[in-house]
Parts: sequence; structure tokens; C-alpha cells
Amino acid sequence: TQLLEQSPQFLSIQEGENLTVYCNSSSVFSSLQWYRQEPGEGPVLLVTVVTGGEVKKLKRLTFQFGDARKDSSLHITAAQTGDTGLYLCGGGNEKLTFGTGTRLTIIP
Amino acid sequence: GAVVSQHPSRVICKSGTSVKIECRSLDFQATTMFWYRQFPKQSLMLMATSNEGSKATYEQGVEKDKFLINHASLTLSTLTVTSAHPEDSSFYICSAGRTNNEQFFGPGTRLTVL
Repeated sequence: TQLLEQSPQFLSIQEGENLTVYCNSSSVFSSLQWYRQEPGEGPVLLVTVVTGGEVKKLKRLTFQFGDARKDSSLHITAAQTGDTGLYLCGGGNEKLTFGTGTRLTIIP
Repeated sequence: GAVVSQHPSRVICKSGTSVKIECRSLDFQATTMFWYRQFPKQSLMLMATSNEGSKATYEQGVEKDKFLINHASLTLSTLTVTSAHPEDSSFYICSAGRTNNEQFFGPGTRLTVL
């Protein structure tokens, strides 16, 4: 079973600050996805990373896939209150295994 | 593109009744759909993988006779919770698979069993 651990589980920071959340595994993934979920809604796909060492940017969000394709990070610059939500990483081949999630709260 | 709908969004039912939840991919064909269950403040737990035209594959510990899955077409999968009980109350989410293992999620269905 492929396991994904996310850290931190909870993060609460002031608006305007920067943050990084991590997604780690002992398994190699062919691809890895990051999702954001708001309360009472389904997760929304943010990005897919496929190549080891790949870096993708989505406005203020920067995603990196580890060289060995076992881990990934999400960095948010100048966090805004709209970034609040549950961030999930998911990886796998035929089906996705999801991480434990990072619950991010941006304080105005 | 890549829109997935779920219906209903909320359902309240009495214990012992059956509830059907529909999952549709609106703008693409999905040979594989997935059903998840999510408890408050927790991550997603995969229940089963639904393949069009064949039987669903259930995860360990998920009762296939209780959670009936039908994937009749490339755009529709249904989950029926049979003889629902209060412990079945949860947030049920479906997703439809596309390339690179990307999954696009529906908005979820909040089931409350009284």
C-alpha cells in the first residue's frame, strides 16, 4: 500500500505571509496531484506533476515534485484569505492514494 | 472542461431505507469513476473503483452488498447505500478519472440517516 504523509496537518498564518506544505512517501509515484477542498465541497484539482524535479507555478502557488518522485511540496507566496482550505496530495497509478491533508487557515 | 456533477447534494433519510447517489461526468467520458467517503476533518477514503460495463472493485472493509455501484455508461456511475443506518451518515464524493491519473471530483453528497 502506498502511503502519503502530509505536514503540517494544521497551519494557521497571517495574511501576506509565505508558507510551505509537504507531501512525503516512501513509494515512487508516476504522477502526483494537489487538490484544494473547501468545507462541504469536493476537492478541486490544482496541478499534476509528472517528471522528477518538475516545478509548476499557478499564480502565487509553486509546486515541486521531488527528483525521486517520492515527495512534493506546495509553496504559497503572500497568502490570502481565499487560500484557506484543506490541501490534499494524491498519488498512484491505477487509483489515487490521498495524503492526510493539511488544513490551512489564513487569518486576515 | 472536466466537470463532474453529483445528485443529490444533500439527503436525509430514515434508518432502513436505501439511497441512490448519481455521479456524472458532464464534458468528458470516464471509463473509471471512484467513490470516496469523507468523515469530518479527515481525508478521503476510497470505497470502490467503478469501471464502465464491469463490476466495481471494492476496497478492503467496504461491504459490496451494502454499497451497490453501477457504472452503466461512460458518463454515469451510481452508488446505492442499502438499508442505511445512522453510522452510514457521511460525506460521499465521486470522481471521474482522466489522463495522468488526474481525477475530477463531484461536489459531494451529504447523507444523514436518522
